[in-house]
Amino acid sequence: AQSVAQPEDQVNVAEGNPLTVKCTYSVSGNPYLFWYVQYPNRGLQFLLKYITGDNLVKGSYGFEAEFNKSQTSFHLKKPSALVSDSALYFCAVRLNSGNTPLVFGKGTRLSVIA
Amino acid sequence: KAGVTQTPRYLIKTRGQQVTLSCSPISGHRSVSWYQQTPGQGLQFLFEYFSETQRNKGNFPGRFSGRQFSNSRSEMNVSTLELGDSALYLCASSLTGVITNEKLFFGSGTQLSVL
Repeated sequence: AQSVAQPEDQVNVAEGNPLTVKCTYSVSGNPYLFWYVQYPNRGLQFLLKYITGDNLVKGSYGFEAEFNKSQTSFHLKKPSALVSDSALYFCAVRLNSGNTPLVFGKGTRLSVIA
Repeated sequence: KAGVTQTPRYLIKTRGQQVTLSCSPISGHRSVSWYQQTPGQGLQFLFEYFSETQRNKGNFPGRFSGRQFSNSRSEMNVSTLELGDSALYLCASSLTGVITNEKLFFGSGTQLSVL
């Protein structure tokens, strides 16, 4: 079975500072990893994904994530936070083979303070 | 291209009633997944349909059921509602659902309140 842990319910960061939203995963095999963002009263939007290859993945809105196989982590990062980045962020994982559903973490609320 | 459409946007029901939620995927998408979102549990997978067949099922009681029609539209039904069923129900579609690195496209959800 696969699972995702997002250890922080809330992350606060000042505008202009770098941000990190943490994610660790557990799968019995090789993973595909995803980040989604949810703005108020909206569904989830895809940010980026790791499939294979380069461990640093770049996505929408200046976000990037680093895949670390030894630490089973896939942390989301951005060099300079914007107030408009304030939202709920979800990490998700699925096996890269077979027919398994996409499993999400519980989410991390990011607040960027001006 | 229109996005994933979920109706209704809000629902208020009482315990013991049943409810049906509807989801229209993006045109051409054949896979539809349903998730329950609550503040404490995040997103929990309910089920996935592809070509009118349930392909995956999450760990929910049998009161939760779904189906998919030939035009890929999907419905989910919850019978004998309980207070704990209050949640945002999200539908997501993808082109095939077979390629496991496909991204999902989400609707805005149906907010269900059980009183």
